[in-house]
Amino acid sequence: DAKTTQPPSMDCAEGRAANLPCNHSTISGNEYVYWYRQIHSQGPQYIIHGLKNNETNEMASLIITEDRKSSTLILPHATLRDTAVYYCIVHAGGTSYGKLTFGQGTILTVHP
Amino acid sequence: GAVVSQHPSWVICKSGTSVKIECRSLDFQATTMFWYRQFPKQSLMLMATSNEGSKATYEQGVEKDKFLINHASLTLSTLTVTSAHPEDSSFYICSARAGLAGVRETQYFGPGTRLLVL
Repeated sequence: DAKTTQPPSMDCAEGRAANLPCNHSTISGNEYVYWYRQIHSQGPQYIIHGLKNNETNEMASLIITEDRKSSTLILPHATLRDTAVYYCIVHAGGTSYGKLTFGQGTILTVHP
Repeated sequence: GAVVSQHPSWVICKSGTSVKIECRSLDFQATTMFWYRQFPKQSLMLMATSNEGSKATYEQGVEKDKFLINHASLTLSTLTVTSAHPEDSSFYICSARAGLAGVRETQYFGPGTRLLVL
C-alpha cells in the first residue's frame, strides 16, 4: 500500500467546516483512498472512500485531486462529537482488497 | 447496516488464564475478518487475517500458538489469548470485510475489547 502523510493535529471551531488533508504521492492506479476515524476508546468508524472522483455521503465529503496525489476530507459542520483521530489509508480495492495499514492519523479537536 | 459487535467489551483476568473474544458481523456475511491490537497512545496494529473455513494468516511477530483464531462461520470469528500475561493487556479490535450488494466494499470495525491481565 502507498504511504500517506497527515498533519499530527488540527483544531476546528464547532459549526465550522473541518478540512483534513492527506498526501499520498505514491498512490497506484488501483488504490482507493479510505478515511476512518477513531473516537477515544472505541473501534475505528468508516467514513468514506473513493478512487478518483469526489465522493459525498451523510458524514463527509472526499475531495481527491486530479493527479490523485492528495485528498481532503471535509466535515461540513463540525460538532464536538467529531473530535477524534482521523486516519487516511490508501489501499487496493476489488479482488486485491485485504488488510489496512493504519498510520498515526490526525488528531482533530473541535472546540466550542 | 454493516454492524460489527464484539464480546466482551472488557475483561480482567489473572495471569496464566485464557480469554476468548468474539467478533460478529450482525447484518452481513464476512468471509474475511481481521484482528488488531492497540496499545495506549499508539495506532492499530494488525495481528492476523481470519478467513472463514481456513487457517488464519498471522503478521510477523505475532505468535499463532498464543493468539488462537477461529472463523467457523460467515458471521463469527473468535480470538483466544492463551496463557495471558500482563504484557498482553491491550485493546483488541476486530473488523469484518463487507463487499456484498448494497454495502460498499470496505472494513467495518467492532467496538473493541479491553483486556487487562493482572
